[in-house]
Amino acid sequence: SQQGEEDPQALSIQEGENATMNCSYKTSINNLQWYRQNSGRGLVHLILIRSNEREKHSGRLRVTLDTSKKSSSLLITASRAADTASYFCATAVGGSNYKLTFGKGTLLTVNP
Amino acid sequence: NAGVTQTPKFRVLKTGQSMTLLCAQDMNHEYMYWYRQDPGMGLRLIHYSVGEGTTAKGEVPDGYNVSRLKKQNFLLGLESAAPSQTSVYFCASNLLETPYNEQFFGPGTRLTVL
Repeated sequence: SQQGEEDPQALSIQEGENATMNCSYKTSINNLQWYRQNSGRGLVHLILIRSNEREKHSGRLRVTLDTSKKSSSLLITASRAADTASYFCATAVGGSNYKLTFGKGTLLTVNP
Repeated sequence: NAGVTQTPKFRVLKTGQSMTLLCAQDMNHEYMYWYRQDPGMGLRLIHYSVGEGTTAKGEVPDGYNVSRLKKQNFLLGLESAAPSQTSVYFCASNLLETPYNEQFFGPGTRLTVL
């Protein structure tokens, strides 16, 4: 069963706009990660946030985590056409700090 | 470094045929994983390995077998392929003690079972 669920399933914006994607999960986590997948390629790790952290930044990426609501959001600021990809959240749960459960992803399209 | 590589990139099988997908990593990673990705389903873990000579079942292991005879290689076998195994297969790896736990993915193998 899917642990994480991204919302929305698809998002289309103009270059320069910000993109926000959300992830909800069901059980307590050790950490939550976001990955990007360009069409026809493998996944690439973007950022990890631990369960005791609330916010993290990396370049144009900002991730928040609300463990009380079991949700996370990924914000991409000043989006570029090259940001067009699918974005997945993944959670490490239980006694495993390495086995990840992925959501179904958000397809982001950034129009030039 | 090549990172994580997968062989082959594409394959078409007939129902009942067998095949082996090869994953290789040159990063000295302890942990390796096989996932399948189907439209609208995200990635699902098939099998994984926490070190050379060890394997364990993931979320969807039925119909697949794996072996980790060498640390750098993780093989995924389909003994008798079924149309339901049509999917894109991804291999991933990571370190045992990394504080960040990120997984490194291969480019994928697109398998079609007719």
